[in-house]
Amino acid sequence: DGGITQSPKYLFRKEGQNVTLSCEQNLNHDAMYWYRQDPGQGLRLIYYSQIVNDFQKGDIAEGYSVSREKKESFPLTVTSAQKNPTAFYLCASGRGPASSGANVLTFGAGSRLTVL
Amino acid sequence: GNSVTQMEGPVTLSEEAFLTINCTYTATGYPSLFWYVQYPGEGLQLLLKATKADDKGSNKGFEATYRKETTSFHLEKGSVQVSDSAVYFCALHGYGGATNKLIFGTGTLLAVQP
Repeated sequence: DGGITQSPKYLFRKEGQNVTLSCEQNLNHDAMYWYRQDPGQGLRLIYYSQIVNDFQKGDIAEGYSVSREKKESFPLTVTSAQKNPTAFYLCASGRGPASSGANVLTFGAGSRLTVL
Repeated sequence: GNSVTQMEGPVTLSEEAFLTINCTYTATGYPSLFWYVQYPGEGLQLLLKATKADDKGSNKGFEATYRKETTSFHLEKGSVQVSDSAVYFCALHGYGGATNKLIFGTGTLLAVQP
């Protein structure tokens, strides 16, 4: 079955450490996204990528980095520069903007990061 | 800029009660509108969508009508079940940019009691 796989589901980090969250999709989608979810704040866009080897900052990119070396993969690194990294992180994918139905996203199950 | 406002929760209902979750939006042009649902511990799933004025999206007994005159997209269900307990997000996709970016509301927690 096609879908998005995020790992790990739960992750604990000490302050000052970088961590990388994995996101893999087998939907053949061009576009991939990372959102952060905090209680009472909905979803906020961190980074997005519309094509391999290209990505753009979203609304809250500071303290995060991404790469898009393969169409299927869009890992997110939470760096030590992120001041409040404890959150639920959601990866999503969708067809590119020029495709019909381009604006429907498929989400992974999420990764919960806790900084100790 | 574009934005979505939805009613704050939690909304607590008894089984078989009528549900309304309000959603209003601000956008230029003619955005597409969506409702996503998030069950506990999971990611978001598309519940329904509408792409132009007066369209009605429907799925699993839920409905929402795209009302351009009131800039609203309220979610309704005639008889909720315990299994409908989840967080519901209203979202908007605007046009005019090159990105396939959704803007989400803050989410409304629905708790249905037996």
